[in-house]
Amino acid sequence: SAVISQKPSRDICQRGTSLTIQCQVDSQVTMMFWYRQQPGQSLTLIATANQGSEATYESGFVIDKFPISRPNLTFSTLTVSNMSPEDSSIYLCSVGDRGPHEQFFGPGTRLTVL
Amino acid sequence: GNSVTQMEGPVTLSEEAFLTINCTYTATGYPSLFWYVQYPGEGLQLLLKATKADDKGSNKGFEATYRKETTSFHLEKGSVQVSDSAVYFCALSDDNYGQNFVFGPGTRLSVLP
Repeated sequence: SAVISQKPSRDICQRGTSLTIQCQVDSQVTMMFWYRQQPGQSLTLIATANQGSEATYESGFVIDKFPISRPNLTFSTLTVSNMSPEDSSIYLCSVGDRGPHEQFFGPGTRLTVL
Repeated sequence: GNSVTQMEGPVTLSEEAFLTINCTYTATGYPSLFWYVQYPGEGLQLLLKATKADDKGSNKGFEATYRKETTSFHLEKGSVQVSDSAVYFCALSDDNYGQNFVFGPGTRLSVLP
């Protein structure tokens, strides 16, 4: 299984600012995913990030608000732009690859927007 | 589209009690089924999985059997511990690349000593 780390683990930000979350994997993976988990809720997929191509966003999420980079097969970033209190959530990075079927998750970034 | 339904929580049990968390799904084709666990303040960890009908996934004393006829994947454990207190998510995927995951709403379990 892949080992995934995220930075920062938590942050408190002011409205109107932006935060970039980093996701690092200990092996090369094809698929990387970004999820949002609002307080007490399940996971909602924000986008799928493949190396060498633009991220694919789910309905309700746009690139201007959540720009994603995927410069190589072990790293990705998600930026939460122009934040408002409604963006307060846990943001989770996960990876998947051919064969194992499952996704492996990072520890998450706990974001609070004041 | 695909969907996952779980029993609503929270579920509160005494230590050594028997646990069942119900999960049913709707999907076209033959998805893989998963249980993930989220301990307080942490990300999701894969608990167990089953990739075809009648498969039984097991780990750490937890078990779940892929029942195609009832479209279910109920999680069971014979004797829970305080350390099992967490949120449990049932999920499915109909893709071989780990894509197209659908998660259930989660069930919070609290085990009291």
